[in-house]
Amino acid sequence: ELKVEQNPLFLSMQEGKNYTIYCNYSTTSDRLYWYRQDPGKSLESLFVLLSNGAVKQEGRLMASLDTKARLSTLHITAAVHDLSATYFCAVDPGGSGTYKYIFGTGTRLKVLA
Amino acid sequence: EAQVTQNPRYLITVTGKKLTVTCSQNMNHEYMSWYRQDPGLGLRQIYYSMNVEVTDKGDVPEGYKVSRKEKRNFPLILESPSPNQTSLYFCASSLAVASTDTQYFGPGTRLTVL
Repeated sequence: ELKVEQNPLFLSMQEGKNYTIYCNYSTTSDRLYWYRQDPGKSLESLFVLLSNGAVKQEGRLMASLDTKARLSTLHITAAVHDLSATYFCAVDPGGSGTYKYIFGTGTRLKVLA
Repeated sequence: EAQVTQNPRYLITVTGKKLTVTCSQNMNHEYMSWYRQDPGLGLRQIYYSMNVEVTDKGDVPEGYKVSRKEKRNFPLILESPSPNQTSLYFCASSLAVASTDTQYFGPGTRLTVL
C-alpha cells in the first residue's frame, strides 16, 4: 500500500525557533509537493521538488528531497505567527504512469508569540 | 483571474438524494482531480481526469461518479449520498500530465449528508 507519512502531526513552537517537518513516502517517486492550508481555507502550493537533492527556499521555509531515502523535509527558520497553518506533503507515484496523488495526513503548526 | 471554482460551497442534503458538485477552471489545464478531506486522514483522491473523456479512479472512488465532457469542467456526482460521504471536497487542476506544475485547488465544498 502506498503511504505518505508526516511527522509530527501537531507542532507548537515559539516564535523565533527553528523546526523541521518530515515527510516519508513508501513508493518510488521523483516528484514531491508541499502545500499550506490555513484554517477554513483551501490549499496553496508552496514547493515542487522534482529530483533527488532538490532544495527550494521561500522566506523562512526551505524544502528538500532525498529520493533514495524517500524523505522530504520542510524546515522552518525563525518561526513567526503567520506561519501557523497545516502543511501537507504529497507524492505523485506514477511519474509517467498513473498520475494519482497521495497526500500525507498533514502537520498542524501553531507558532506562539 | 486564474482560478478553480466550485459550487455549491456548502450543501446539506439527505441520504439518497442525488447531487452534483460542479468544478470549473479557466486556466486551460488538462489534469483535473477531486479530493475529500477528513480530519486525521489528510486529502484522499477520489477521481482524476487527464483530459477530456479520460477519467480514472483515485483511492476512494466508491459512491462517486465523474465526467469530463469539456476541458474546463469536471463535475462530481453522488448518485445516492450516504452519511459517510459527509466531508470537505476539493477540486484541483494542473497544467498537464507529466507536468512539473503543481495543482491549483478550488475553495472547497462542505457537504453534510443527514
